Amino acid sequence: AQSVAQPEDQVNVAEGNPLTVKCTYSVSGNPYLFWYVQYPNRGLQFLLKYITGDNLVKGSYGFEAEFNKSQTSFHLKKPSALVSDSALYFCAVRDDTGRRALTFGSGTRLQVQP
Amino acid sequence: DGGITQSPKYLFRKEGQNVTLSCEQNLNHDAMYWYRQDPGQGLRLIYYSQIVNDFQKGDIAEGYSVSREKKESFPLTVTSAQKNPTAFYLCASSMGLAGAQEQFFGPGTRLTVL
Repeated sequence: AQSVAQPEDQVNVAEGNPLTVKCTYSVSGNPYLFWYVQYPNRGLQFLLKYITGDNLVKGSYGFEAEFNKSQTSFHLKKPSALVSDSALYFCAVRDDTGRRALTFGSGTRLQVQP
Repeated sequence: DGGITQSPKYLFRKEGQNVTLSCEQNLNHDAMYWYRQDPGQGLRLIYYSQIVNDFQKGDIAEGYSVSREKKESFPLTVTSAQKNPTAFYLCASSMGLAGAQEQFFGPGTRLTVL
C-alpha cells in the first residue's frame, strides 16, 4: 500500500521569504516521490522527482525538495518566494515493488503575499 | 499541459444521462490514467491502463467505465450510476507504469450535473 499526507491545507508566506510545503509518505518498498503544481482550472504540472541518490532534488522554477528516509518526508522548498508561486501543490508517491499509478496527497494551497 | 488534450473543457449533464469525456495524447505513452479532483480531497484514481485493450480499476471506479482501443485515446464514461459526478476530471499519461516515470496531465474537464 502507498499513501501520502500533506498536513497543511494552506501555507502563507511573504514574497522574498523562504517557503516550505510539507509532505510525508508511506510505501512498502523504496519510494519514488514527486511534486506537482496546479494553477486554477488547469491540469497539474510536474516540478521535480526523487528516484535515488542525492537527498536534495532540484526542479523547475527554483524549487527543490529534500528527501529524508528516516522521517519518511519529502518537503518542497524555495529560498525566495514569488507572488506567482501562489498555487495548489501536490505531493505524490509510488513504490518500486509494483506497477501502480501515483498516489497523490490532498494538496496544499500556497499563498504568497506581496 | 504537454501533448495531452481533453474535451470538452466544460460539460453539463442532466440527472440520469451518461456522458463521455475525451482524452487524447500524442506523446507515444503506453500508460494512461483518469483522476477525479474534488475540493480538499486531492486527486483520486478512477481507472488506469498500461497498454491497449487493458485497463484496471482504481480507487473509485464505481459508476465509471473506460475503453482503450487505441494507444492515443482513453475515453471515460460517467454513467448514471455515479451518485455524485460533479467534479474536475483529469487525464494523465506516462511512458509506463513501472519505474519512476512522471505522469503528464491534460487541462481537465469540469463536469456539472444539473
